[in-house]
Amino acid sequence: DTAVSQTPKYLVTQMGNDKSIKCEQNLGHDTMYWYKQDSKKFLKIMFSYNNKELIINETVPNRFSPKSPDKAHLNLHINSLELGDSAVYFCASSLGGPGGEQFFGPGTRLTVL
Amino acid sequence: GQNIDQPTEMTATEGAIVQINCTYQTSGFNGLFWYQQHAGEAPTFLSYNVLDGLEEKGRFSSFLSRSKGYSYLLLKELQMKDSASYLCALSGSARQLTFGSGTQLTVLP
Repeated sequence: DTAVSQTPKYLVTQMGNDKSIKCEQNLGHDTMYWYKQDSKKFLKIMFSYNNKELIINETVPNRFSPKSPDKAHLNLHINSLELGDSAVYFCASSLGGPGGEQFFGPGTRLTVL
Repeated sequence: GQNIDQPTEMTATEGAIVQINCTYQTSGFNGLFWYQQHAGEAPTFLSYNVLDGLEEKGRFSSFLSRSKGYSYLLLKELQMKDSASYLCALSGSARQLTFGSGTQLTVLP
């Protein structure tokens, strides 16, 4: 009955590699997000998709490319990984309208060696 | 832009009451959220305020003053399991959240 799921939970990889993180929500929400939480625990928005359309793209290197094949999925592909990409990446979703509670996935801990 | 300030750490005793403050500056206000995050886990929703005043939910209450750019989260009858990071967040025009750096609360026996 997982509401927002992410795979993988842990990802350890070498600098320069390309990797993907998958996110799925079964809540019927229309908006999905990617957040990055760094080593100092600061949680920052990266992308937001509403009905499969990109609506927020914060100052994120273009090595990061989100893809939303349908409203229930938002994947994150990262090219040419760098040491500074090491962080926990959280996917979240919400339903339209202000005050909509965002439900977060369990997070993907990415470690770049 | 948006700027959010909250204390880095707080300590309180089991059974006590603790108030976690959050001050903010924003060019457009769309609501203020409080989230709880236990170590190694995802943030979970606690409360949402868009109008001035107090919202109460069991042991947790949240207050908002838009004119002062100020909110607080009040936790009553503290329990050990309340030890966590508490995140104040502003909602943007596209419903994305801008988080403060979080307040790490430690509840002592």
